[in-house]
Amino acid sequence: DAKTTQPTSMDCAEGRAANLPCNHSTISGNEYVYWYRQIHSQGPQYIIHGLKNNETNEMASLIITEDRKSSTLILPHATLRDTAVYYCIVRVEGSSNTGKLIFGQGTTLQVKP
Amino acid sequence: NAGVTQTPKFQVLKTGQSMTLQCAQDMNHEYMSWYRQDPGMGLRLIHYSVGAGITDQGEVPNGYNVSRSTTEDFPLRLLSAAPSQTSVYFCASINGMGTEAFFGQGTRLTVV
Repeated sequence: DAKTTQPTSMDCAEGRAANLPCNHSTISGNEYVYWYRQIHSQGPQYIIHGLKNNETNEMASLIITEDRKSSTLILPHATLRDTAVYYCIVRVEGSSNTGKLIFGQGTTLQVKP
Repeated sequence: NAGVTQTPKFQVLKTGQSMTLQCAQDMNHEYMSWYRQDPGMGLRLIHYSVGAGITDQGEVPNGYNVSRSTTEDFPLRLLSAAPSQTSVYFCASINGMGTEAFFGQGTRLTVV
């Protein structure tokens, strides 16, 4: 699976959009970009994933660049409860590695009042 | 978290003792995994399973054993506990496409 690079930490004002970047310059053509988050002391939570096109669900939007070497997770209206560590993971969907989630250090997002 | 039951929540062991952390899921997910998380660190994969009867090592497998006799259960065994195994342990259950990933509430293990 391709390696990802994320900033260590970010701040965001409550009510504003939080934009979390992820670099995955060695991504392969069949690898998807997945985002998870871990709120303090809890188990990680799946947020969203995508291959080429931008994706949106009730939690967030995922913007993937045309060359697929980077992506941005967008939380449109961040709340204090969005304070968490956000992990960007790249892997092949539906493969034997699907259950082999490898978490990096992630980005610690602090949403401030 | 929905569908993943992890027990116990807290455990204190003496060095050299053995124990089993239990994990069960009722979502018929193919994939199950065990992670450990040390203070201030990310999650590290210990062992994972792609289905009943199939397991494989993750990033930090030494000192741990697993088995997957049924789809529902994936216990983690500590053979001879060491202080270095003091950590929070999470069990995960993931569907075939990776779009559903549920984690247990975690087990806080202290080895003295």
